[in-house]
Amino acid sequence: EPEVTQTPSHQVTQMGQEVILRCVPISNHLYFYWYRQILGQKVEFLVSFYNNEISEKSEIFDDQFSVERPDGSNFTLKIRSTKLEDSAMYFCATDIQNTGELFFGEGSRLTVL
Amino acid sequence: ELKVEQNPLFLSMQEGKNYTIYCNYSTTSDRLYWYRQDPGKSLESLFVLLSNGAVKQEGRLMASLDTKARLSTLHITAAVHDLSATYFCAVDKRETSGSRLTFGEGTQLTVNP
Repeated sequence: EPEVTQTPSHQVTQMGQEVILRCVPISNHLYFYWYRQILGQKVEFLVSFYNNEISEKSEIFDDQFSVERPDGSNFTLKIRSTKLEDSAMYFCATDIQNTGELFFGEGSRLTVL
Repeated sequence: ELKVEQNPLFLSMQEGKNYTIYCNYSTTSDRLYWYRQDPGKSLESLFVLLSNGAVKQEGRLMASLDTKARLSTLHITAAVHDLSATYFCAVDKRETSGSRLTFGEGTQLTVNP
């Protein structure tokens, strides 16, 4: 059973539409991350989240992106107005600080048409 | 800017042979990860290397870290077909208390019978 659960596994959307990707992390983990992987390319850091606020973000994570943990359980990534180039696999990850283990979810494949 | 380079990017080898994948990175780092990714799947953690001279082995895979040379290696011993996958190294450069991984381009390994 996956330790980090992501939904949906695959979403197809029209350009300009809003998308929300969800992650249910391991319950006692403190740090949450989003990474993305464009097909055939390397994995890229988007954002880290701790104590209900963004800890660090990359240049990819522009104003179209937002993250929140609305109910203390689910960790969400929202893309406000999707672009074709947002098509990618989005991975949620979590860890306990300083344990050295970073757990990745199964990923959500986003296809923007 | 932290750069992580892997080589080779593509590796085709015969079963039973040995080979090494190299991962060079450009600045000092807190830790180095090796991941395996099967097509369309998530990232499976193989090794976490925390200090200079660290060596870890699991089955036919052995990873090492030389922080002075900024080099990590993933050595494959007596390859089998099941090892066919893409292997990523990732370097953790912590600007804040959270993790931020910079991934290499990946090495696509094909083991032929």
